[in-house]
Amino acid sequence: AQTVTQSQPEMSVQEAETVTLSCTYDTSESDYYLFWYKQPPSRQMILVIRQEAYKQQNATENRFSVNFQKAAKSFSLKISDSQLGDAAMYFCGWGSRLTFGEGTQLTVNP
Amino acid sequence: NAGVTQTPKFRILKIGQSMTLQCTQDMNHNYMYWYRQDPGMGLKLIYYSVGAGITDKGEVPNGYNVSRSTTEDFPLRLELAAPSQTSVYFCASSYPGQGPQYFGPGTRLTVL
Repeated sequence: AQTVTQSQPEMSVQEAETVTLSCTYDTSESDYYLFWYKQPPSRQMILVIRQEAYKQQNATENRFSVNFQKAAKSFSLKISDSQLGDAAMYFCGWGSRLTFGEGTQLTVNP
Repeated sequence: NAGVTQTPKFRILKIGQSMTLQCTQDMNHNYMYWYRQDPGMGLKLIYYSVGAGITDKGEVPNGYNVSRSTTEDFPLRLELAAPSQTSVYFCASSYPGQGPQYFGPGTRLTVL
């Protein structure tokens, strides 16, 4: 079975600092995509970043970057210069029909 | 460009009632999806469609039905509502392949 595990139910970070959210997944496929989505209190699902498994270069979107370790099946999200608006639930997802992890609730402290 | 729209935003049903959750997208995406999100949990796939007339089950399809007669619309039908179907329902769409999915704002459904 394809699974996605987010081992940190909650994380907190001080404004302007850096935080890393962890995600591991299990698949026997060799070519796939990985995603991080953000869900603020409005509950809207917002795409943060996407990684293609066949690309060795880690994806970056402004303050958001990933550390993709294909052999270890690890896909962590780093948020730099954290802002109050980054506070949300973050979900890691795998594949075209999106298997999601249970989420990490991120709190940003002023 | 409205993206993915869902109606209604909220609904309360009695046990045994039926209803249809509507989903429309204006991005000409072939692929559409229905997910449910239970409190404090991630999203789970109910059904998906790769084009008009083609649908398939996801991880949690029991108690639901779908149809896809047009590219734009992908309604989700609950035939006999049960308390276990209390959840937030999200519709999403994407281009073919493993492109990112774009989500609607969700429908909060309570079954009492």
